[in-house]
Amino acid sequence: GAGVSQSPRYKVAKRGQDVALRCDPISGHVSLFWYQQALGQGPEFLTYFQNEAQLDKSGLPSDRFFAERPEGSVSTLKIQRTQQEDSAVYLCASSPVAEEETQYFGPGTRLLVL
Amino acid sequence: GENVEQHPSTLSVQEGDSAVIKCTYSDSASNYFPWYKQELGKRPQLIIDIRSNVGEKKDQRIAVTLNKTAKHFSLHITETQPEDSAVYFCAASLGGGSNYKLTFGKGTLLTVNP
Repeated sequence: GAGVSQSPRYKVAKRGQDVALRCDPISGHVSLFWYQQALGQGPEFLTYFQNEAQLDKSGLPSDRFFAERPEGSVSTLKIQRTQQEDSAVYLCASSPVAEEETQYFGPGTRLLVL
Repeated sequence: GENVEQHPSTLSVQEGDSAVIKCTYSDSASNYFPWYKQELGKRPQLIIDIRSNVGEKKDQRIAVTLNKTAKHFSLHITETQPEDSAVYFCAASLGGGSNYKLTFGKGTLLTVNP
């Protein structure tokens, strides 16, 4: 079946612009995670949703980062007033149920802030 | 919070040789340890995982061992092939509820020379 999809795959933004990154999890998956992967590094946790509830946002680096999942399926990660340090790959992952640890990753959105 | 260290950062082997990647973690409460393979520009793909109630798990040419007392776990790849070349990430999580966000190591670039 279809895996996790993300769009856009690439995004170039000028410093100060707002961006919105979309994640379509595997159909029926309850849990959704966002991670940030800097060049040459491992992914770092940003935030977690269980259905529409955002249960953990401890990894969001600043109040410029905001995530939502209003209907418990598609999620959007929004970054306001982008800075050069926001340049990274943003990965989304989903899991079928709350108690299932296995996470399936999307291809990521590569964000470049100039 | 959890901290995962991964070694080596790069590993070059001849085709047919074995490769071993090691990780240590800091939080003794962690109980789920997946390994992901990430090819350049692609999504991380789960290759094997282990839970704390198991000391070893094997899947064809890939095996993972876990030593909870020492808080370390290792990935073993036997009979390496050129298509095994990629970056490998270990990760750890507490598991369950809202605590199974993954903490990743920095990755190991494995190169298998034909």
